Amino acid sequence: GAVVSQHPSWVICKSGTSVKIECRSLDFQATTMFWYRQFPKQSLMLMATSNEGSKATYEQGVEKDKFLINHASLTLSTLTVTSAHPEDSSFYICSASIWVRGAYEQYFGPGTRLTVT
Amino acid sequence: AQTVTQSQPEMSVQEAETVTLSCTYDTSESDYYLFWYKQPPSRQMILVIRQEAYKQQNATENRFSVNFQKAAKSFSLKISDSQLGDAAMYFCARRGGGSARQLTFGSGTQLTVLP
Repeated sequence: GAVVSQHPSWVICKSGTSVKIECRSLDFQATTMFWYRQFPKQSLMLMATSNEGSKATYEQGVEKDKFLINHASLTLSTLTVTSAHPEDSSFYICSASIWVRGAYEQYFGPGTRLTVT
Repeated sequence: AQTVTQSQPEMSVQEAETVTLSCTYDTSESDYYLFWYKQPPSRQMILVIRQEAYKQQNATENRFSVNFQKAAKSFSLKISDSQLGDAAMYFCARRGGGSARQLTFGSGTQLTVLP
């Protein structure tokens, strides 16, 4: 159980275009999902917390107008990178929060590699 | 800032041997949770083990166990009988108590398992 999927697994886009990444909880409902960014050989950097039915909460330094997050249902959150530039190239990972054995745990999607040319 | 520190960027272990990965953290809370996640070359994050701060007993999951020292704010991961499939980046993470759900990650330790 507790499977999280991401689509696409990789994407290449041209500078100036927008790209959407989907994060789905497959076998459970997730009121809270998270979006992370990870650079090579580095840790995960939290970008935003996505709550179903409400606006996302962005971490300091993350441009909310550039990284649009929509959590329209209990099983789907999307991250749209608008007007992408080469510096947005990175590995993006989502996670979903689920109550397991008396505490919240996060289960992660497999990640999306974004390359902006 | 409530930080998580992993002071070993890289570690190696011989297959079938035991290795311990270190983690320290800073928190002003009395209620919190600690986790170890594994990220193999596929980059899929996998939850390895969880420890509740209010529990004195160290968590164990098969070959993985922790040494939780609350007063010292230390949370190390011991991998026994290391296998080639254990090779990965390991991240220590902390989560606040109550309804808090965000994780704070350490910088990671790259574990190599030598055949």
